[in-house]
Amino acid sequence: SAVISQKPSRDICQRGTSLTIQCQVDSQVTMMFWYRQQPGQSLTLIATANQGSEATYESGFVIDKFPISRPNLTFSTLTVSNMSPEDSSIYLCSVTGTGIEQYFGPGTRLTVT
Amino acid sequence: AQKITQTQPGMFVQEKEAVTLDCTYDTSDPSYGLFWYKQPSSGEMIFLIYQGSYDQQNATEGRYSLNFQKARKSANLVISASQLGDSAMYFCAMSLPPQASKIIFGSGTRLSIRP
Repeated sequence: SAVISQKPSRDICQRGTSLTIQCQVDSQVTMMFWYRQQPGQSLTLIATANQGSEATYESGFVIDKFPISRPNLTFSTLTVSNMSPEDSSIYLCSVTGTGIEQYFGPGTRLTVT
Repeated sequence: AQKITQTQPGMFVQEKEAVTLDCTYDTSDPSYGLFWYKQPSSGEMIFLIYQGSYDQQNATEGRYSLNFQKARKSANLVISASQLGDSAMYFCAMSLPPQASKIIFGSGTRLSIRP
């Protein structure tokens, strides 16, 4: 299975600011995924990030709010822009393993005040 | 539209007992995958078990088994001999063909193991 790290592990941010979350994988992967988990809720896919192309966003998520970079096959960033308290969530990145299962990073706990 | 339903928001089980977590799904596509993930209070998502729609036998991984009833569209997780460390949120999920890497999650079941 892939080993995934995320930075930061948690942060408290002011309304109106932006936070960039980093996701690093210990092996090269084609697809990386970003999820949001709002308090007490399930996971919702934000976007799929392929190296060398624009990220594909799910309904309800837009690039201006959640810009994503994928500069190489082991790294991706998600930025949460112009934050509001509604953005307080756990943000998780994931990758597909050698089979079909997805492996998740430890998550970034974001609190917006 | 594809959907995953978990009807048990919370469950309490005595240590060492077996527990079944319910999951039903809805899709019109014949090709799909079903997953179970565990999320402890630390927040990480831990992959437990996978069942493909064409798999003839129920998947098993150690103390975890998936009771796959295709006609009923159910994919219940069975944990045998529960342990205190099994206390966590459990999510059932489904991969959406043809992009099999895209996964949708159910609302989750919070399992609490009593000593």
